[in-house]
Amino acid sequence: EVQLVESGGGLVRPGGSLRLSCVVSGFTFNTYAMHWVRQAPGKGLEWVASISSSRNYIYHADSVQGRFTISRDNAENSLYLQMNSLRAEDTGIYYCARDPGSDISGWLDYWGQGTLITVSS
Amino acid sequence: SYVLTQPPSVSVAPGQTATITCEGNNILSKSVHWYQQKPGQAPVLVIYYNNDRPSGIPERFSGSNSGNPATLTISRVEAGDEADYYCQVWDNSSDHVVFGGGTKLSVL
Repeated sequence: EVQLVESGGGLVRPGGSLRLSCVVSGFTFNTYAMHWVRQAPGKGLEWVASISSSRNYIYHADSVQGRFTISRDNAENSLYLQMNSLRAEDTGIYYCARDPGSDISGWLDYWGQGTLITVSS
Repeated sequence: SYVLTQPPSVSVAPGQTATITCEGNNILSKSVHWYQQKPGQAPVLVIYYNNDRPSGIPERFSGSNSGNPATLTISRVEAGDEADYYCQVWDNSSDHVVFGGGTKLSVL
């Protein structure tokens, strides 16, 4: 069974940093690209970042470029999102999701349950 | 940047057919994917590559991309289909995943 479990969420002050993790199981992690997607309270889905299986391709949304960094550790079956210079508008649920391709196919076939980030003073 | 436009809401009676649209510039040249999100839950893929269904998704769900707009059709709608639905494409000019704004399906 494919499973993706996010962690690392919580309350953080504006300007602060946080690192999200997503541990996966049930599939061969090092052969799949991965994504982070977020959802502000009561709002729609917003793509955050993508990374290919071998880290050859890494992309970030304009809204987080220069502040967030996606990475992965294939030996640990883990995906990460380093978030710096956090703003109130970064508040929301952050989902990790699997891409069915090794390079980025651009769609998401399995999703985790998400972890909540609240940026507030 | 590429933009996908969906109607905010669609209402349908049980047993009827719901059609949710997704508009985007030259969308015919792209593959459209659809996700269902019920309250308090993570999104679930219901259609990929315009009209393919993942295993476990009922045949009542179908998609089409013959030009603007792309559509998600749900036949014989049930109360359990009430959810938010999002269309999505990969914009290869910007290397970005793009989501539509979402459509809330209400079953009357």
